[in-house]
Amino acid sequence: KAGVTQTPRYLIKTRGQQVTLSCSPISGHRSVSWYQQTPGQGLQFLFEYFSETQRNKGNFPGRFSGRQFSNSRSEMNVSTLELGDSALYLCASKLGQGADGSPLHFGNGTRLTVT
Amino acid sequence: DQQVKQNSPSLSVQEGRISILNCDYTNSMFDYFLWYKKYPAEGPTFLISISSIKDKNEDGRFTVFLNKSAKHLSLHIVPSQPGDSAVYFCAASGAGTASKLTFGTGTRLQVTL
Repeated sequence: KAGVTQTPRYLIKTRGQQVTLSCSPISGHRSVSWYQQTPGQGLQFLFEYFSETQRNKGNFPGRFSGRQFSNSRSEMNVSTLELGDSALYLCASKLGQGADGSPLHFGNGTRLTVT
Repeated sequence: DQQVKQNSPSLSVQEGRISILNCDYTNSMFDYFLWYKKYPAEGPTFLISISSIKDKNEDGRFTVFLNKSAKHLSLHIVPSQPGDSAVYFCAASGAGTASKLTFGTGTRLQVTL
């Protein structure tokens, strides 16, 4: 069974630009979450989608947005990029929704560098 | 507000010995606790979890202990192997937060020969 796939693996953008990151969850998984990892802040929750609906949102500005498609694939978008947006962006999927103790399965991330 | 804390940024252990990684939390609403391992340039990999109604869960070389009264959990790895060298994250989830995980800042474990 293929794992969570994120594309691209690496991105370099300049300040003010926008970026779209893509995530394909494990087959059959309907919940997709996004996390930002930075050296100073660790892994921070961005948002979660289930059945194309955003179920939960972290404490990030409105420049960060996402969506989920009917096939459970997800994209996240960051507009008006800032230097502080440089980070590893991780996508994770799980079978169901809710805090049932089943683990999130993570992709290898997209490393975004903003110059 | 750091609800999940890993106060030791690094830990060095000899091969064959026990590794003990610690984690503290402040939110009593957390229902589940999970440990993830992360290698550089890879996403976190799930190791083991524990429900708040239990105080111990074991899977092979990995055992997680939960002390609810102290709001403390620990991961024991016995025996430690060089391949265990990685960053270990403690995470928690709870009712009302859907699948959201709140992570600690991680502990870098180095297993030496």
